[in-house]
Amino acid sequence: GAGVSQSPSNKVTEKGKDVELRCDPISGHTALYWYRQRLGQGLEFLIYFQGNSAPDKSGLPSDRFSAERTGESVSTLTIQRTQQEDSAVYLCASSLEGVWGAGERYNEQFFGPGTRLTVL
Amino acid sequence: AQTVTQSQPEMSVQEAETVTLSCTYDTSESDYYLFWYKQPPSRQMILVIRQEAYKQQNATENRFSVNFQKAAKSFSLKISDSQLGDAAMYFCAYRIISNFGNEKLTFGTGTRLTIIP
Repeated sequence: GAGVSQSPSNKVTEKGKDVELRCDPISGHTALYWYRQRLGQGLEFLIYFQGNSAPDKSGLPSDRFSAERTGESVSTLTIQRTQQEDSAVYLCASSLEGVWGAGERYNEQFFGPGTRLTVL
Repeated sequence: AQTVTQSQPEMSVQEAETVTLSCTYDTSESDYYLFWYKQPPSRQMILVIRQEAYKQQNATENRFSVNFQKAAKSFSLKISDSQLGDAAMYFCAYRIISNFGNEKLTFGTGTRLTIIP
C-alpha cells in the first residue's frame, strides 16, 4: 500500500465495552507508533514498536490499554472497559529505522488518517 | 520533561498574504529536532518542515520557512503567499531519542489556520 492505513475510520461504543483499533503500516517500516489526540489537543505518544516488540510503552494511560504487533506489520490497539475519557482520535505512524538520509539524523514518521473513537 | 507551547489557538490570513505561527518549547537537551506538521480535515498528519537544533541556518521548504531562535527556544513557521489549501491545523513538535532508542515526538496543542479568499 502507498501509505499507513487505519480501521475503522470511526467507532462509536458504549461505556464499558472493549474496542480494537487496527493499523497497517507502510510495508518495510520496522518502527510503529500509536498516538492519542483528544479534542483540541496535540498528539500524545502511547506506545512504540520495534518490529514486534514494544520497548517503550511509557505513554499507555492505564492497564486498560494494550497493543500488539504481528509479522512486523499490522498492529492492534485494544482498549478494555472503555470510559468516556477515552474518546479521542487514535493515530498510528510508521517509519524506517536506522536509515538516516544524507546529512540527516531522523526518520520521518508517516501517519495514518486515524480512528475517531466515541464512547457514549 | 519537554513541553511545546503554541499560544495562538486560531489564526487567519488573506489569500496570497504571509502569516507567522508561533511555537516555543522547553528542554534541557542540546541536540534535538523540531518539526511543523499540518493536519487537514482528513486528520492525516503531514510533515511540513524540520529543523535540527545544531544547524544555525533556518530551514526553508518552498513557501514555508522557519525562524529558529535556539537561545530563546522559539521556532515559528512563516507561510508566504498563503493558498486556500494551506487551511489546516498546524502542530509544532519536538523530537528526542528516548532511552529505548525510539524517536519520541512531543506536540503542541496546535493552531487552526483559516485562509480568507
